[in-house]
Amino acid sequence: DGGITQSPKYLFRKEGQNVTLSCEQNLNHDAMYWYRQDPGQGLRLIYYSQIVNDFQKGDIAEGYSVSREKKESFPLTVTSAQKNPTAFYLCASSLAGTRGSNQPQHFGDGTRLSIL
Amino acid sequence: GQNIDQPTEMTATEGAIVQINCTYQTSGFNGLFWYQQHAGEAPTFLSYNVLDGLEEKGRFSSFLSRSKGYSYLLLKELQMKDSASYLCAVRRRRGSTLGRLYFGRGTQLTVWP
Repeated sequence: DGGITQSPKYLFRKEGQNVTLSCEQNLNHDAMYWYRQDPGQGLRLIYYSQIVNDFQKGDIAEGYSVSREKKESFPLTVTSAQKNPTAFYLCASSLAGTRGSNQPQHFGDGTRLSIL
Repeated sequence: GQNIDQPTEMTATEGAIVQINCTYQTSGFNGLFWYQQHAGEAPTFLSYNVLDGLEEKGRFSSFLSRSKGYSYLLLKELQMKDSASYLCAVRRRRGSTLGRLYFGRGTQLTVWP
């Protein structure tokens, strides 16, 4: 079945450590997104990519980095510069361009990141 | 960011009807989405409006008024499983691209027996 797979489900980060969250989709979607969700908050956009080898900063990109080397994959690295990384991280994908005009974003099951 | 407002919490009883409102202020409006999110899970798509009017999908309906910057999600015949957070998201056009989504903080709905 087609879908979005995020791994791991739970992740723990030590002080000064970079960690990478995986996101893979087999929906043949052009666009991919990373969101952060804190308790009682909506989704805030970290980075997004409309096409391979291109990505844009969202509203809270500081302390994060991404790459888009393949259409199917959009990994997110939480660097040591992100001082408050504890949150629920959601990856999403969608069609882009006119094909995607009425199509929703589809979400993975999320990764919960905590500081040790 | 965009100003997207929705109530923080709502409660209702099983079998009842509930309306969750969402107001927004944005330029380049390019569609409004409603998502349902159960605790600790991924959001799932419920509805999409880009033109004024009502879209009906089974027990769920969504309404949009672009001139008023207003949408609502209507849930009928409430069931216990409808207890969840409901997220309103507005898409803003960016140049020639579809643009990204801006999410409200979500409305936590609790359905009582």
